[in-house]
Amino acid sequence: SAVISQKPSRDICQRGTSLTIQCQVDSQVTMMFWYRQQPGQSLTLIATANQGSEATYESGFVIDKFPISRPNLTFSTLTVSNLSPEDSSIYLCSVEDTTGVRETQYFGPGTRLLVL
Amino acid sequence: DAKTTQPPSMDCAEGRAANLPCNHSTISGNEYVYWYRQIHSQGPQYIIHGLKNNETNEMASLIITEDRKSSTLILPHATLRDTAVYYCIVPKGGGADGLTFGKGTHLIIQP
Repeated sequence: SAVISQKPSRDICQRGTSLTIQCQVDSQVTMMFWYRQQPGQSLTLIATANQGSEATYESGFVIDKFPISRPNLTFSTLTVSNLSPEDSSIYLCSVEDTTGVRETQYFGPGTRLLVL
Repeated sequence: DAKTTQPPSMDCAEGRAANLPCNHSTISGNEYVYWYRQIHSQGPQYIIHGLKNNETNEMASLIITEDRKSSTLILPHATLRDTAVYYCIVPKGGGADGLTFGKGTHLIIQP
């Protein structure tokens, strides 16, 4: 199974600023996903990030607010821009499994963001 | 993704089998049923998946009804560490696309 790390693990930010979250995988993967989990809620898919192409955003999420980079097959970043208190959430990345278990995903530990 | 319905919460005594139901009546013939769980303050963890046959691995068993409209995840000997939110997901693109998480079942294992 893939081992995924995220940085930072948590942060407190002021409104109007931006936070960039890093996701690092220990193996090469084609597809990476970014999710948001608002307090007390389930996970919501933000976007799919494939290496070498623009990220594909889900309804309700736009590139200006959540720019994503995918420079290689083991790394991606998600930036949450122009922060407001409503952006306080856990942000998680995940990757598809490429080692045998059919089309499953492995998730990172998440980044806890609090916006004041 | 096909819609799934799960009870919001369940209790189970430690050491007993935990049986978590899921309804997915709109599932189509080639769609798999996946189960993930999320322990507090952690990312979701894959548990098991199946198409139509019952499946078992080191974590759990998955029982799928013959008409495939419902399934049950079984944790045979629940421990306190199994307390988590369990999600039943039927992804339309297989598990390789982004997943749609419902509210899941909050399973509480009682000592």
